[in-house]
Amino acid sequence: QKEVEQDPGPLSVPEGAIVSLNCTYSNSAFQYFMWYRQYSRKGPELLMYTYSSGNKEDGRFTAQVDKSSKYISLFIRDSQPSDSATYLCAMSEGAQKLVFGQGTRLTINP
Amino acid sequence: GAVVSQHPSWVICKSGTSVKIECRSLDFQATTMFWYRQFPKQSLMLMATSNEGSKATYEQGVEKDKFLINHASLTLSTLTVTSAHPEDSSFYICSARDLTGAGNEKLFFGSGTQLSVL
Repeated sequence: QKEVEQDPGPLSVPEGAIVSLNCTYSNSAFQYFMWYRQYSRKGPELLMYTYSSGNKEDGRFTAQVDKSSKYISLFIRDSQPSDSATYLCAMSEGAQKLVFGQGTRLTINP
Repeated sequence: GAVVSQHPSWVICKSGTSVKIECRSLDFQATTMFWYRQFPKQSLMLMATSNEGSKATYEQGVEKDKFLINHASLTLSTLTVTSAHPEDSSFYICSARDLTGAGNEKLFFGSGTQLSVL
């Protein structure tokens, strides 16, 4: 079993839809949770950063962490074609190496 | 967020030659940088951790003599792919942590280097 599981998709939705991306993990020691967005042939860009359980909102993006279920989510509201990218979840125990999910390929259709 | 610059963005080389990729932290000092490799439609694979002023730490299965890492200053790490072969063709990405202030677990990435070995 992988330490972090993420559905690779691909996921295709119409413009304006709410997108839900998820990851599950097995290491209960993970405390820091991140979502990265990666466009084709570019480096990942940090989107959301959360410490421990709870919700965090930034514009159209909301990150949720449920440590009791070992489950994290990223919601994108009013999705735009420019949101089309690969989304990677990542987590760590502290200032150590990040463990990444496989990445979900998302396409927003105009 | 912190800015990490990576150069070149793409390189094509002949088999047997060596290629150097640079990674710079532009607005912060990075005592530790990370080098990743990414194959098409796959996630990032950590190759090594680059430590300023000391030897890099390589992940299991990564040849340290093939992938030479030098972290000579607090803002620059280089990855040299020696005697490159077609199987080394891949997307290489560096990253660094800004350890100043809170949230120093965040990792910031360079824009990546696409290496094609003919």
